Amino acid sequence: QAGLTQPPSVSKALRQTATLTCTGNNRNIGNQGAAWLQQYQGHPPRLLSDRNNNRPSGVSERFSASRSGNIASLTVTGLQPEDEADYYCSAWDSSLNAWVFGGGTKLTVL
Amino acid sequence: EVQLVESGGGLVQPGGSLRLSCAASGFTFTSFWMTWARQAPGKGLEWVATVNHDGRDKYYVDSLKGRFTISRDNAKNSVYLQMNSLRAEDTAVYYCARDIDVRGQGTTVTVSS
Repeated sequence: QAGLTQPPSVSKALRQTATLTCTGNNRNIGNQGAAWLQQYQGHPPRLLSDRNNNRPSGVSERFSASRSGNIASLTVTGLQPEDEADYYCSAWDSSLNAWVFGGGTKLTVL
Repeated sequence: EVQLVESGGGLVQPGGSLRLSCAASGFTFTSFWMTWARQAPGKGLEWVATVNHDGRDKYYVDSLKGRFTISRDNAKNSVYLQMNSLRAEDTAVYYCARDIDVRGQGTTVTVSS
């Protein structure tokens, strides 16, 4: 199953804003939205935003998700050292009847 | 509090079988499709299988069809993954998810002789 496309890495300075992107097509992100997960090295992933762009309880308001057409974005404001992690997007593909993942973006806070 | 607790992983020889279990609590289990995903060492997340609310509809990644079977027991708030004919490349941490919301620590499967 074809996956979603994410940049392998993004680097931004402390307290700046980072925007991570995830590109799909009109059978997944375009009509189903995308979820975002955060994963620290050696830990399980954690949902940051569901495919309706809702944050689960406990997720900082500094994380916000959006979508424009077939591209989903995760914006992280006021970057903190603890935001350094891998970020994955995922979407249900209504044509494949499958969840598809992006390859992940490693966010580095400088 | 939403909880998903995976179990059943371990070391198995190539060609062997394992049955993973996921116990769910803290939410209305029958309202959600349930998913298994996995992560091989040093790799990204990979979707494995999804089952719908009543267990009748099941979806699998193409590469695993015929070897893995997902099922659920709504009376026990549990979802399962039966894994047969295991190969070295199935070595991974397996996560249970509510929709795509991973809540557990995962269970590690190692396929090796």
